[in-house]
Parts: sequence; C-alpha cells; structure tokens
Amino acid sequence: AIQLTQSPSSLSASVGDTVTITCRASQDITSAVAWFQQKPRNVPKVLIYDASRLESGVPSRFSGSGSGTEFTLTISGLQPEDFATYYCQQFKTYPRTFGQGTEVEIK
Amino acid sequence: QVQLIQSGAEVKKPGASVKVSCKVSGNTLTDLSMHWVRQAPGKGLEWMGGFDPFHNEKIYAEKLQGRVTLTEDTNTETAFMELSSLTSEDTAIYYCTIDLFTVMDVWGKGTTVTVSS
Repeated sequence: AIQLTQSPSSLSASVGDTVTITCRASQDITSAVAWFQQKPRNVPKVLIYDASRLESGVPSRFSGSGSGTEFTLTISGLQPEDFATYYCQQFKTYPRTFGQGTEVEIK
Repeated sequence: QVQLIQSGAEVKKPGASVKVSCKVSGNTLTDLSMHWVRQAPGKGLEWMGGFDPFHNEKIYAEKLQGRVTLTEDTNTETAFMELSSLTSEDTAIYYCTIDLFTVMDVWGKGTTVTVSS
C-alpha cells in the first residue's frame, strides 16, 4: 500500500498567517491527491482534489500543488474557522490511504 | 441532493460483530463508488474498504482483511459494513462516504461503535 507522510504533525499559527502542509507519498501517485479538513466533532470535508483543484464552495485562500510524490496544501491568510486538522489522501491506487493528519492550532 | 443516512450508535462486547448501515438518498447505490472510513478516538482517518469502479470489485484494507465485509441491498438503496471479532481497538466513529462529483465529497454523519466488556 502507498504510504503518505504529512509534515508537520502540528503547527501553531496566528490569524492572517500563511501556512503550508506537506504530504509525501512512498511512490509516484501523479496528481491523485485530495486534501480534507476536519474540525472537532465534525465530518471531514474535501477542500482540494486532483492535487490542485479547489472543491466547489471552498474559499480561494486554500490552494494545493505538487505531483509525483510531493504535495502541499497552503492556506493564505489563515482565518479563525481554519483551525482544524488537515489530511491528505491518495486515490491513485487501492487501497486508498490517508496521511496521519496535521493539526493547525491557534498561536 | 445526495445524502447518506447512517444507522445509530452501537455498543458491542469483545468478540462480537457489528453491522452499520448507510442509506443513500437522492441517487442510486449502484451508480456510486462508496467507501468506509473510521476514526478511533483522538486518532486520524483510516480507510477501511470501498468499491473500485475500474476493476468492478470491492477492495479492503489489508489490516482488516477477513474481518470486514461490505454488502448492499439495492432494493432499499442501503449499503452495509460488517466488522467481526471486535476488540477495544475497533472503538471508533465509522463513516460511509462516496465519490459523487470529486473525491469523497459526500459523507454520512458517522456511527459510533463502542466495544466494551
């Protein structure tokens, strides 16, 4: 199975900051990556798919990039409602796999 | 609007099995690629299994092979996830989710399964 490693595991940031989360795959997955946001006691929500395509209704401060084995999620101008845990997921092959998550906390 | 309606919380004893349902509203189950994801308390998301439309087959996570079974009742548009030989490590929220337009873009609200003696 393809392994996804996210970094960092957690980070502290202030409102207005730009944060970047990295997801590395154990093998080439072209652009078959999605990013999810999960707030406490909530269902995960897809933000980005195909590595860089913004899901409908998601604010444009979220962006994704990368291909092959390295991917990034960037939040430009962090808002109070963005404090959450973020997961990458690969859908290149089955079994699908998730990264371990990155918790974005308020500094 | 497509909705996934999951069954209610379950409490099971170690060694038992649990069967969680996910009813599809607003679409046809056979037209959907459905997956099951679970999340243990304080832990991350774990893909359990799902339907691979390219190979027209269900695929299960290696870790759960032999314990998890995905089935469907097309008459009621309901999918089921059954997990057997439960241990405390199976205590989690279990979600059904589908690739409707993009990737896992519709989720059920989750079903809490507690395994306790």
